[in-house]
Amino acid sequence: DAKTTQPPSMDCAEGRAANLPCNHSTISGNEYVYWYRQIHSQGPQYIIHGLKNNETNEMASLIITEDRKSSTLILPHATLRDTAVYYCIVRVARTMNRDDKIIFGKGTRLHILP
Amino acid sequence: DTEVTQTPKHLVMGMTNKKSLKCEQHMGHRAMYWYKQKAKKPPELMFVYSYEKLSINESVPSRFSPECPNSSLLNLHLHALQPEDSALYLCASSQDRGRFGEKLFFGSGTQLSVL
Repeated sequence: DAKTTQPPSMDCAEGRAANLPCNHSTISGNEYVYWYRQIHSQGPQYIIHGLKNNETNEMASLIITEDRKSSTLILPHATLRDTAVYYCIVRVARTMNRDDKIIFGKGTRLHILP
Repeated sequence: DTEVTQTPKHLVMGMTNKKSLKCEQHMGHRAMYWYKQKAKKPPELMFVYSYEKLSINESVPSRFSPECPNSSLLNLHLHALQPEDSALYLCASSQDRGRFGEKLFFGSGTQLSVL
């Protein structure tokens, strides 16, 4: 599976959009980009995923570049509760693949500043 | 119900003790996972069960013994642990393995301290 590179930490002012980058330059055509976040003392929480089109849900937007070598997670109006570690994961989506597994990288520690 | 429930939330045990961690979900998910997380590190995959059968063991020492008695329950039996095994143990579930758009749902974890 492809590996990801994320900045170790970022700051964002409350109420502003938080843009979290992820580099996955070795991604393959059948690998999805997933984002999870982990708020302190909790388990990771799924945010969003995509293959090549941009995606939006109630939590965030995911922008994937045309060459799929990088992506950006956007939290449109960050609040203090968005302070967390954000993990970008690429993952093959093959049915019944015994080796398919979600492996977490180091993530980005996002601080929302009041 | 979209919760994964882990018990206990905290556990302190000695190196000669035997204890078990429990995980439960009632979402009808057929894949369940154990992850281990040390402080300020990402979660590390330990085991994956698919349809109550162990499908992935990430070379975990035998002092950790997983068990999946039914599709809703996942246990992790602990015996003769070392202090370096102290960590947050996370359970997760998903509808199935390998499906497009599969999401993992995590519990809040068991914080384990081995003395």
